[in-house]
Amino acid sequence: GAVVSQHPSWVICKSGTSVKIECRSLDFQATTMFWYRQFPKQSLMLMATSNEGSKATYEQGVEKDKFLINHASLTLSTLTVTSAHPEDSSFYICSARGGERDLYEQYFGPGTRLTVT
Amino acid sequence: GENVEQHPSTLSVQEGDSAVIKCTYSDSASNYFPWYKQELGKRPQLIIDIRSNVGEKKDQRIAVTLNKTAKHFSLHITETQPEDSAVYFCAASRGFGGGSQGNLIFGKGTKLSVKP
Repeated sequence: GAVVSQHPSWVICKSGTSVKIECRSLDFQATTMFWYRQFPKQSLMLMATSNEGSKATYEQGVEKDKFLINHASLTLSTLTVTSAHPEDSSFYICSARGGERDLYEQYFGPGTRLTVT
Repeated sequence: GENVEQHPSTLSVQEGDSAVIKCTYSDSASNYFPWYKQELGKRPQLIIDIRSNVGEKKDQRIAVTLNKTAKHFSLHITETQPEDSAVYFCAASRGFGGGSQGNLIFGKGTKLSVKP
């Protein structure tokens, strides 16, 4: 149990275009989902936290108009990188916490590698 | 906000030796301390966690200790094997509830190399 998927696993896009990444909890209802960004040889940096049906809470320094997060249902959250630039190239990882399942543990998706050319 | 410091950044040991990674945190309200193993290009994998109502937890070759007074926790791996080679991250969280979303704040990571 506690499986989280992401799609796509990798994507290459041109500078100025937008890219949408999906994060799904496959066997549980995710009341809270988290989005992280990880640059090469660095740690995971929390970008934002989202709860189903409400606006995401962004970490300081993360542009909410550039990184659009929609937590439309208890099993799906999407991250859209708008007007992507080469500096947005990174490994994006989502995680999910499942309601009454556990107040602590997060279940991570496999990540999406974004390359902006 | 929470700040997690992790040391060392790299650690090289001989197969069979022990490895110890240490983390400190700043938020006294943090009460959940997981450790993750991440292989290149893969998702972080939870290997062990500890909650603030215990001081030590062990799972086969892996153990974690927590000192809430000093605000530090450590990962101990005994009888290391080449397949233990990876990047290890510690993290801290308040857990969900009481206004907290359960955000994880990660340390910068330790690259562990186990030489056969």
